[in-house]
Amino acid sequence: DVKVTQSSRYLVKRTGEKVFLECVQDMDHENMFWYRQDPGLGLRLIYFSYDVKMKEKGDIPEGYSVSREKKERFSLILESASTNQTSMYLCASKSNEQFFGPGTRLTVL
Amino acid sequence: SQKIEQNSEALNIQEGKTATLTCNYTNYSPAYLQWYRQDPGRGPVFLLLIRENEKEKRKERLKVTFDTTLKQSLFHITASQPADSATYLCARISGGYNKLIFGAGTRLAVHP
Repeated sequence: DVKVTQSSRYLVKRTGEKVFLECVQDMDHENMFWYRQDPGLGLRLIYFSYDVKMKEKGDIPEGYSVSREKKERFSLILESASTNQTSMYLCASKSNEQFFGPGTRLTVL
Repeated sequence: SQKIEQNSEALNIQEGKTATLTCNYTNYSPAYLQWYRQDPGRGPVFLLLIRENEKEKRKERLKVTFDTTLKQSLFHITASQPADSATYLCARISGGYNKLIFGAGTRLAVHP
């Protein structure tokens, strides 16, 4: 059974903290994605990666960075968390369809 | 720019009826459209893919259509059940790198 896992389901951080969200997939997919989802706005693409050490900006990359050192792992980094980054973060990997992780609900106080 | 539009209003229907959700896209027709289901607090789950040259696709009680003239896909759930209550997302392929653009989703509520 294919799987995408995310390091935390719920996370509470303070403004200015550095935040790491990790995602691991076991399907040997080359493409991995980070989205945030907010009510009324749907899924918005932050960054994606099509290979190890390769990354591309999505629609809303500001305030975020990513790291892909191994094929199975794709990390999202909030360099200095802000309250407007409170959201649900979803990781996905893709062949034809996208397989999503369970999501991390991040609250920045 | 390419967009996916779904009805933001929730769809409320009676158990046993057919639910029909609409997805409209802009610009050129994508090679395929996909539909996902999302339950509260969970990640979306893939349901169906329909290619540009396919007019209709079925999977159990689900049926998806793709009309390139109207730039629209319809998603039908026949004999709907309360367990079908969820948000349904439509997505199109966009550009290279297998990127998907998602609609905001339509919430379906099936009442007993």
